[in-house]
Amino acid sequence: NAGVTQTPKFQVLKTGQSMTLQCAQDMNHEYMSWYRQDPGMGLRLIHYSVGAGITDQGEVPNGYNVSRSTTEDFPLRLLSAAPSQTSVYFCASSYSQGAYEQYFGPGTRLTVT
Amino acid sequence: GENVEQHPSTLSVQEGDSAVIKCTYSDSASNYFPWYKQELGKRPQLIIDIRSNVGEKKDQRIAVTLNKTAKHFSLHITETQPEDSAVYFCAAGYNNNDMRFGAGTRLTVKP
Repeated sequence: NAGVTQTPKFQVLKTGQSMTLQCAQDMNHEYMSWYRQDPGMGLRLIHYSVGAGITDQGEVPNGYNVSRSTTEDFPLRLLSAAPSQTSVYFCASSYSQGAYEQYFGPGTRLTVT
Repeated sequence: GENVEQHPSTLSVQEGDSAVIKCTYSDSASNYFPWYKQELGKRPQLIIDIRSNVGEKKDQRIAVTLNKTAKHFSLHITETQPEDSAVYFCAAGYNNNDMRFGAGTRLTVKP
């Protein structure tokens, strides 16, 4: 099993550009989530999904869109990149939305200039 | 929403000593309290978790305690080793829904 995979590993965007961060898991997990990690602020939840076709907002959803058309994939879309979105983005998955371990992907380091 | 505070932000101990990291949470509905370890440039990895129906859980050198009345939980690492050096994050939430993380504790274990 590859676990949770993310692409790309690094990305540089100009202000106003859009892009999609890809996330996939091969563990047949129902629950998937996106976090951003900024220095000194821990991980903050952006969006999450409890199953295919279902998504919900987390703590910091503004400027981001998600969709969950399959169990395996959970892409994160930046609509119009801003310097404040410079961060490391982690995707995670869990067996279900219950109290189960979340498995994190390797992360995507995004810089917006 | 839930608010999690974590202390201290940095912690330095001598190899073999114990380390304690403390977190408080605000939402009494939270029932799941995981702890993650993150090494430099790596992804967070779960090291131990506790659910609200349990007061203490231990796994070898690592233990977590939960006080629901006071809304705080702590991570205890005994007999620390240099490879324990990392950033540790606590988190709290109702199951995995809207999980909130603390700001992290950078633990340094000096040989």
